[in-house]
Amino acid sequence: DAGVIQSPRHEVTEMGQEVTLRCKPISGHDYLFWYRQTMMRGLELLIYFNNNVPIDDSGMPEDRFSAKMPNASFSTLKIQPSEPRDSAVYFCASSLGTGTYEQYFGPGTRLTVT
Amino acid sequence: AQKVTQAQTEISVVEKEDVTLDCVYETRDTTYYLFWYKQPPSGELVFLIRRNSFDEQNEISGRYSWNFQKSTSSFNFTITASQVVDSAVYFCALSEADRDDKIIFGKGTRLHILP
Repeated sequence: DAGVIQSPRHEVTEMGQEVTLRCKPISGHDYLFWYRQTMMRGLELLIYFNNNVPIDDSGMPEDRFSAKMPNASFSTLKIQPSEPRDSAVYFCASSLGTGTYEQYFGPGTRLTVT
Repeated sequence: AQKVTQAQTEISVVEKEDVTLDCVYETRDTTYYLFWYKQPPSGELVFLIRRNSFDEQNEISGRYSWNFQKSTSSFNFTITASQVVDSAVYFCALSEADRDDKIIFGKGTRLHILP
């Protein structure tokens, strides 16, 4: 089985540009999570979905960030406009159930905003 | 509030030595789950183990073993006869069954295995 798929793997963009990160979860997993990892703050949960519905977006840093899950096999995380402090590795993860289940992570997208 | 502390930021050991990574957690719930994840240099996080709060049996998987002690709120991870391929960042994490679906990760311990 394919694992969690993320694209692009690397993204370099200029400040002010829109950035869209994509994720395909493992088939059959009902939960999808978006994380951000930085040296300073470690691994932070941004938002998660259950059956395509956003459940908790309290980790989204500000209105510039938005996430959607139009169907069970696809999710996007959008940053508009991007800023240099958004530079980080963004991970998507999926799981069969709640946080009590193990999560399977994608390879991450390394975002650099100049 | 739930919290996970990995006091060791970085550890270096020589290959074939045993090494223990510490994890201390805080929770008010009686039902909770603990995890360890490995993040190798390639970047993706790899699930290693999940334990629930009612199962204090230690677990062994090859060179890996985990020591869960509720009395000290610790869930330590030991690698026996370490190998260079064990070099990675290791994260301990906690999830409370009664408190929504989040997993809280520790800051991680960066492990260097020197040849």
